Amino acid sequence: GENVEQHPSTLSVQEGDSAVIKCTYSDSASNYFPWYKQELGKRPQLIIDIRSNVGEKKDQRIAVTLNKTAKHFSLHITETQPEDSAVYFCAASRPGTYKYIFGTGTRLKVLA
Amino acid sequence: DAMVIQNPRYQVTQFGKPVTLSCSQTLNHNVMYWYQQKSSQAPKLLFHYYDKDFNNEADTPDNFQSRRPNTSFCFLDIRSPGLGDAAMYLCATSRLGQGTGEQYFGPGTRLTVT
Repeated sequence: GENVEQHPSTLSVQEGDSAVIKCTYSDSASNYFPWYKQELGKRPQLIIDIRSNVGEKKDQRIAVTLNKTAKHFSLHITETQPEDSAVYFCAASRPGTYKYIFGTGTRLKVLA
Repeated sequence: DAMVIQNPRYQVTQFGKPVTLSCSQTLNHNVMYWYQQKSSQAPKLLFHYYDKDFNNEADTPDNFQSRRPNTSFCFLDIRSPGLGDAAMYLCATSRLGQGTGEQYFGPGTRLTVT
């Protein structure tokens, strides 16, 4: 069945450094790729998303890149801050459906 | 201006005692989802409604049921909770046919089974 692999499972970076989280999806029909941030005990919140007709999208310190040929997409966080510490989930969705296939999550720790 | 509301936020139930969790939304979204999430694992989809059409995931236990009496409300019923059902239960909504299909999550209900 369809799945999304996410790496790494944990990531520690020094404050101010960059963080990169990678996801690979199996369903070539997927066309929507959201990234959610979940702080401890809180709801997942969308931080950025990308559609398959776009190769890159940026919003201040965060960016997402998509390689449709290789079927992978990545989250990039620059100038990391302690408040970026959270679990990040990628997901993929195909047209005409309303279900996400989630990655397994990455716990990011930003060390002050 | 809460958009997806879940009640209660914390629920304690006894082993085998039925429990109902509720979700309401002010977004007028046509799709509502129930997820189960355990200790920082990815949310696991239990079922979803597209309008009134109910869609169960193949691996959702029969112990879990759902009702959607109208567009705004959706309920999760756990008929006989076991210790393994202790988790965070997340409700989410999305609107198909408009926008990106982004899912908006509620704050969750943390269920404890004693």
